Amino acid sequence: AQKITQTQPGMFVQEKEAVTLDCTYDTSDPSYGLFWYKQPSSGEMIFLIYQGSYDQQNATEGRYSLNFQKARKSANLVISASQLGDSAMYFCAINTGGFKTIFGAGTRLFVKA
Amino acid sequence: DVKVTQSSRYLVKRTGEKVFLECVQDMDHENMFWYRQDPGLGLRLIYFSYDVKMKEKGDIPEGYSVSREKKERFSLILESASTNQTSMYLCASSLRTLSSTDTQYFGPGTRLTVL
Repeated sequence: AQKITQTQPGMFVQEKEAVTLDCTYDTSDPSYGLFWYKQPSSGEMIFLIYQGSYDQQNATEGRYSLNFQKARKSANLVISASQLGDSAMYFCAINTGGFKTIFGAGTRLFVKA
Repeated sequence: DVKVTQSSRYLVKRTGEKVFLECVQDMDHENMFWYRQDPGLGLRLIYFSYDVKMKEKGDIPEGYSVSREKKERFSLILESASTNQTSMYLCASSLRTLSSTDTQYFGPGTRLTVL
């Protein structure tokens, strides 16, 4: 069975600084996809970034990048130049090809002005 | 851009009522999902549909049913609402079938309160 662990329930970061949100995963399947979502207080889950298990390079999408360390089974999200609008819950998720995507418990990020 | 819409952002119902939550996606996606989200429990899959009239149970299907009569629309039905079904309900859709690259796109959510 797959599992996602997000060990940081809450994080603070100063505006304009970078922040890393941790995610470790557990799966015995060699083929999988890792996802990060953002959930503002409004409730909608917004897709941020995807990393495939066979991708050679770390994924990047604008200010978001994924620090993928396959041997350590970690897929940390890095947000550069934090903005006040980045304050939200962030969820890491894994899919190994079935219909079930497993989500972590989430990390709440607070960006300070 | 994928757009997933849900019929209500907030809903208040009474115990025993039949409740319909509607979800519509506009990108011709094959797959649609219903989750509930509760503090400390994360997202839990209620039901999944991979085609019109096709459905699969998720982790917590008890007390719920679903309907998919058209590809773009996926309804969640609470036959007789109970207070323990008070929660945030999230609908999602995805393009490919059973692929690990399948990105799910979510609607804005419905906060349901059952009194």
